[in-house]
Amino acid sequence: GNSVTQMEGPVTLSEEAFLTINCTYTATGYPSLFWYVQYPGEGLQLLLKATKADDKGSNKGFEATYRKETTSFHLEKGSVQVSDSAVYFCALSGNTGKLIFGQGTTLQVKP
Amino acid sequence: DAMVIQNPRYQVTQFGKPVTLSCSQTLNHNVMYWYQQKSSQAPKLLFHYYDKDFNNEADTPDNFQSRRPNTSFCFLDIRSPGLGDAAMYLCATSRSGTSRAYEQYFGPGTRLTVT
Repeated sequence: GNSVTQMEGPVTLSEEAFLTINCTYTATGYPSLFWYVQYPGEGLQLLLKATKADDKGSNKGFEATYRKETTSFHLEKGSVQVSDSAVYFCALSGNTGKLIFGQGTTLQVKP
Repeated sequence: DAMVIQNPRYQVTQFGKPVTLSCSQTLNHNVMYWYQQKSSQAPKLLFHYYDKDFNNEADTPDNFQSRRPNTSFCFLDIRSPGLGDAAMYLCATSRSGTSRAYEQYFGPGTRLTVT
């Protein structure tokens, strides 16, 4: 079945550091891929998405590229801020429309 | 702004006392989902409505029920809450349940405490 694997956290970075959160997936067919962010005590917010191979999703300085050959969708940001501290979830959506989530990665950014 | 609204944000109930959580949306989406999330784990899908069609996940306990009286509103009923049901409950919507391309929009969640 479909599954998503994220790098384990927590990830602790200093402000302005480069961020990479790895995400790989297993799926039949051609899923859509998403990154959601969850700030403390809040619901999930869609950060970015990609619906086909080689698509690059981007938003608020975050980027991720849909790599079919490596079944990956790694999240990157060139310079993180304290306000980026949150839990990040990688997810895929197959033909049913249901989301399959990774386990989440906690990012803590220190001033 | 179009959005998904959940009320209340915080709910305290007693062990065994029925509780209802509500969700409304102004996005006019035809699919609505209920998730349970514990301690920053990934959300776990309980059930979803595709229009009026109810779809239960195989491992959702019978203690959890849902109602969708119209397109805009959806309710989660917990008939006899146990201590293990304390969690964040998230409502989400999307435009179509059969298209992989449509993202889900989440509400802010209701934090349920069971005493």
